[in-house]
Amino acid sequence: SQQGEEDPQALSIQEGENATMNCSYKTSINNLQWYRQNSGRGLVHLILIRSNEREKHSGRLRVTLDTSKKSSSLLITASRAADTASYFCAPISGSARQLTFGSGTQLTVLP
Amino acid sequence: GAVVSQHPSWVICKSGTSVKIECRSLDFQATTMFWYRQFPKQSLMLMATSNEGSKATYEQGVEKDKFLINHASLTLSTLTVTSAHPEDSSFYICSARGDRDEQFFGPGTRLTVL
Repeated sequence: SQQGEEDPQALSIQEGENATMNCSYKTSINNLQWYRQNSGRGLVHLILIRSNEREKHSGRLRVTLDTSKKSSSLLITASRAADTASYFCAPISGSARQLTFGSGTQLTVLP
Repeated sequence: GAVVSQHPSWVICKSGTSVKIECRSLDFQATTMFWYRQFPKQSLMLMATSNEGSKATYEQGVEKDKFLINHASLTLSTLTVTSAHPEDSSFYICSARGDRDEQFFGPGTRLTVL
């Protein structure tokens, strides 16, 4: 399995603003998943985007995938204080089943 | 999304004792489950892949005799930390793979070894 690299490492915004975080990976993928982790909690699955998809929406979340650039982005619109968490991407290649995590993006939404 | 539970959510034990952590997929069957550990302010590190009905596959550097994994059914995997020591204190998280490639994580177990 390969590890995604999230960027930026930390992001601080005001409530109501949009938050964008990026993920880069090295080799071709079958799909890529985004997760959120609140401090001291498990990971919450947000969105899975497959390699043949370019964009996916779920509520206030929008995920894009550019396989030519080997990158993905997660956009959270109209952010809320409750969105404060660490966000991780997990690219999946080939028949790999396990996920490998990078350092994540720590998002802080200020009220 | 699917629900994965862990029990207990936290445990404090004395050095030298063994601790068992359960991971259950509540509304789906999972032939494969995964165990991770996470130290404060660090990312999740995969420890092992647990396959129903067969031996677990451990990541390099993870002692299989110390971290015993049993995947007895399609909805239950257990991790036993044997002869726990303070350096084993960590946050242990399991995940279960659904049938459409998503992985769902449990809420984690905080282990503190005194």
